[in-house]
Amino acid sequence: DAGVTQSPTHLIKTRGQHVTLRCSPISGHKSVSWYQQVLGQGPQFIFQYYEKEERGRGNFPDRFSARQFPNYSSELNVNALLLGDSALYLCASSPQGTESYNSPLHFGNGTRLTVT
Amino acid sequence: AQKITQTQPGMFVQEKEAVTLDCTYDTSDQSYGLFWYKQPSSGEMIFLIYQGSYDEQNATEGRYSLNFQKARKSANLVISASQLGDSAMYFCAMRGGDGFGNEKLTFGTGTRLTIIP
Repeated sequence: DAGVTQSPTHLIKTRGQHVTLRCSPISGHKSVSWYQQVLGQGPQFIFQYYEKEERGRGNFPDRFSARQFPNYSSELNVNALLLGDSALYLCASSPQGTESYNSPLHFGNGTRLTVT
Repeated sequence: AQKITQTQPGMFVQEKEAVTLDCTYDTSDQSYGLFWYKQPSSGEMIFLIYQGSYDEQNATEGRYSLNFQKARKSANLVISASQLGDSAMYFCAMRGGDGFGNEKLTFGTGTRLTIIP
C-alpha cells in the first residue's frame, strides 16, 4: 500500500507569493494533519481535518489555510509568503473514527519550501 | 498546555551498544499518549513506539523499548544493539486527551543520534 504522498517535494518561492502544497493520505485514512518543521526544531501543528471539517488549528496566522476534499486528500495554502515560512511541511494521516490516543500518525516525506 | 523536553541535542554511540534518549513531558491531561519518531535525512517521520498514560507495562517494539516513569513524567527511548542505520533525528511527542479526534502532536526539539562504526 502506498504511504502518505506529498507534492511537490521541493519548492522555491519569492516573498509575497502564494503557495499550495498537496497531500494524499493512506488509503482508508480519513484524517489529515499538517505540520511545519523549521530547520533545527521539532514539527509544529498547523491544522487537522477530518471528513472535510477542520478539527484543530495551531498557532499560525490567517495567511495559512487548508481544506480537505471528498477523497480525503488535502491542500495547505500559504499567502503572502515571508522568509520565516521557509520550512519542511509535513502531512500526516490516520484512520480516525475512534477516541483512541494510541493511533500513530503516518507522515509523508514532506515538502521543503524555500522563500527567497 | 503540553510540553516535551529533550535535553540531548546530539549523541554519539558505538555500533552494537545500547543507547537511551531522554524525554520529559508536562501535561495536565489525565489521558495522553507518548510517541517516538525517527527522522532520517530524507525528512520522513517514522513511527517507532507508543506508550499510553494508563499502560502499566513499558512498551517494546523489536529493538526499541520505552522506559516510562509516570511519576517523574519521563518517557525515555532505549535502543538496544544499535546499528549504523539508526543514525537519525529522534523526536519524542505527546498527544493529549482533550477531546474526540484530537490529533495534535506536541514534539520536542529532537536528539541527533550518530552511530559510530
